[in-house]
Amino acid sequence: SQQGEEDPQALSIQEGENATMNCSYKTSINNLQWYRQNSGRGLVHLILIRSNEREKHSGRLRVTLDTSKKSSSLLITASRAADTASYFCATLRTGANSKLTFGKGITLSVRP
Amino acid sequence: NAGVTQTPKFRVLKTGQSMTLLCAQDMNHEYMYWYRQDPGMGLRLIHYSVGEGTTAKGEVPDGYNVSRLKKQNFLLGLESAAPSQTSVYFCASRQTTRELFFGEGSRLTVL
Repeated sequence: SQQGEEDPQALSIQEGENATMNCSYKTSINNLQWYRQNSGRGLVHLILIRSNEREKHSGRLRVTLDTSKKSSSLLITASRAADTASYFCATLRTGANSKLTFGKGITLSVRP
Repeated sequence: NAGVTQTPKFRVLKTGQSMTLLCAQDMNHEYMYWYRQDPGMGLRLIHYSVGEGTTAKGEVPDGYNVSRLKKQNFLLGLESAAPSQTSVYFCASRQTTRELFFGEGSRLTVL
């Protein structure tokens, strides 16, 4: 069963707008990661946030983590058409450091 | 530096046939994984390995076998393919608790 559940399932925005995607999970985690997948390609790692971190930035990406609510959000600012992709959150559970469990993904469409 | 390489990229099988997917990584990573991706299901873990000579079951291991005889290679085998195994298969590797590096996927169709 999926540990992470992303929300919404699909998101369509205009170029230049911000995109916010959410992920909820069920158990204690070591870290949470976000990945992007372009159509027909493999997943690419975007950003990792550890359980003792609350916020992290990387370029136009901002990730927050609320361990009390077991949730994370990924914000993409000033979106571009090239950001069109599927986005997945993945969790590395505490005490199960071998396995990274993925959600079902969010499809983001950025209209030019 | 190729990263994670999967072969073959495409394959069509008939029900009951067998095949092996090969994953090779050149980053000296300890951990290697096989996932399958189906529409609306996200990625589901089939089998994984925490080091050379080790393998373990993931969420959906039935119908698959794996081997990790060399650290850089992780093989996924289907002994008797079924239509339910039609999917896109992804191999990934990582070191410690860091991020995964993915291959480009192997698209398998079982008729």
